[in-house]
Amino acid sequence: DGGITQSPKYLFRKEGQNVTLSCEQNLNHDAMYWYRQDPGQGLRLIYYSQIVNDFQKGDIAEGYSVSREKKESFPLTVTSAQKNPTAFYLCASSMLAGHGTYEQYFGPGTRLTVT
Amino acid sequence: AQSVTQPDIHITVSEGASLELRCNYSYGATPYLFWYVQSPGQGLQLLLKYFSGDTLVQGIKGFEAEFKRSQSSFNLRKPSVHWSDAAEYFCAVGSNTGNQFYFGTGTSLTVIP
Repeated sequence: DGGITQSPKYLFRKEGQNVTLSCEQNLNHDAMYWYRQDPGQGLRLIYYSQIVNDFQKGDIAEGYSVSREKKESFPLTVTSAQKNPTAFYLCASSMLAGHGTYEQYFGPGTRLTVT
Repeated sequence: AQSVTQPDIHITVSEGASLELRCNYSYGATPYLFWYVQSPGQGLQLLLKYFSGDTLVQGIKGFEAEFKRSQSSFNLRKPSVHWSDAAEYFCAVGSNTGNQFYFGTGTSLTVIP
């Protein structure tokens, strides 16, 4: 089955530790995205990537880092510099704009709790 | 600036009643419009999309939406709501000039028996 996987579903970390969230897709999509979701705030874009080894900051990139070494994978690291990291994190992928109807497909999400 | 507004934070409807969720957008380019649904603790699922052509689009689960350019709106409708429709609904806008989407803050739907 084609889709997007995120692991783990739940993640717990102590304050001051970096943590990496996994996102893998087998849809052969060029573009991948990371969003953060907080109650009442909808989805906010953290980073996105349109090609391997390249990525762009979204609206709330501070305290986060990403890599795109393979087309299928787009891991997100939440660093200790992120002031309020507890949230629900969603990964998505899509075709590139201009290549047909490029709706975004979402993974099941990772809930990160930092104490 | 690009933005999406969903004026209703929370809506309650009775099972079997009709539903309309509002979405207004501000976008400089020709918009591509989407509605997604999210169950608690889950990812987002695409309900329907509008790119061009017929301004009334049909989606999954019996939903439809109408694009009204003059009102910058893309409202979601369903003639008869089922208890399983209780969820969070998000409207989003994008374009063919870039991959970034802009999401509304969502509308939470409660369905009462």
